[in-house]
Amino acid sequence: DSGVTQTPKHLITATGQRVTLRCSPRSGDLSVYWYQQSLDQGLQFLIQYYNGEERAKGNILERFSAQQFPDLHSELNLSSLELGDSALYFCASSVDGWANYGYTFGSGTRLTVV
Amino acid sequence: GENVEQHPSTLSVQEGDSAVIKCTYSDSASNYFPWYKQELGKGPQLIIDIRSNVGEKKDQRIAVTLNKTAKHFSLHITETQPEDSAVYFCAASLAQGGSEKLVFGKGTKLTVNP
Repeated sequence: DSGVTQTPKHLITATGQRVTLRCSPRSGDLSVYWYQQSLDQGLQFLIQYYNGEERAKGNILERFSAQQFPDLHSELNLSSLELGDSALYFCASSVDGWANYGYTFGSGTRLTVV
Repeated sequence: GENVEQHPSTLSVQEGDSAVIKCTYSDSASNYFPWYKQELGKGPQLIIDIRSNVGEKKDQRIAVTLNKTAKHFSLHITETQPEDSAVYFCAASLAQGGSEKLVFGKGTKLTVNP
């Protein structure tokens, strides 16, 4: 157990629907990162939050949004889902907003859009 | 922005042999280079990292080397074992707007044959 908790582990939904993925960071970590992992694209950075505020944005689609709550858990909202959104979504956390102690990853949410 | 290239994409070795995975990066300001191991159905796990003020780091059978001038770094696994079979990702830090994120290579699937 890495200390980063992601729920649900699996999600199957239809095109056009909306889903919410949840992440609880490791105790003491203030920063949360969301990554998308598809077969051919590796780990693609989506967005970062630090202590409740958005810090950095990657290649996140406008249909996707995220937030970090006062208790530091984070949610990634995916709407108007398309088949191509099927992927593994990972959340990672770090102590601060800097990468130089590495990230701790959760076990991911596998999203299947049918 | 930062671009990280990783080679090879797949690597098959016999148990006991060595395995080498190589990565190059584009941003000369990157100063932190971690390696992650991802086993089937799990999230990436940090196995070793190196900072820009160090040329080599070793941890038992795993070593990482960094050549800042050439902007490349490598992972070396000696005396490979079947349990080393996994996907390995390299990453490089990228400072962005007051925080820092990791940019990942596309991964190397390592298979160690008994």
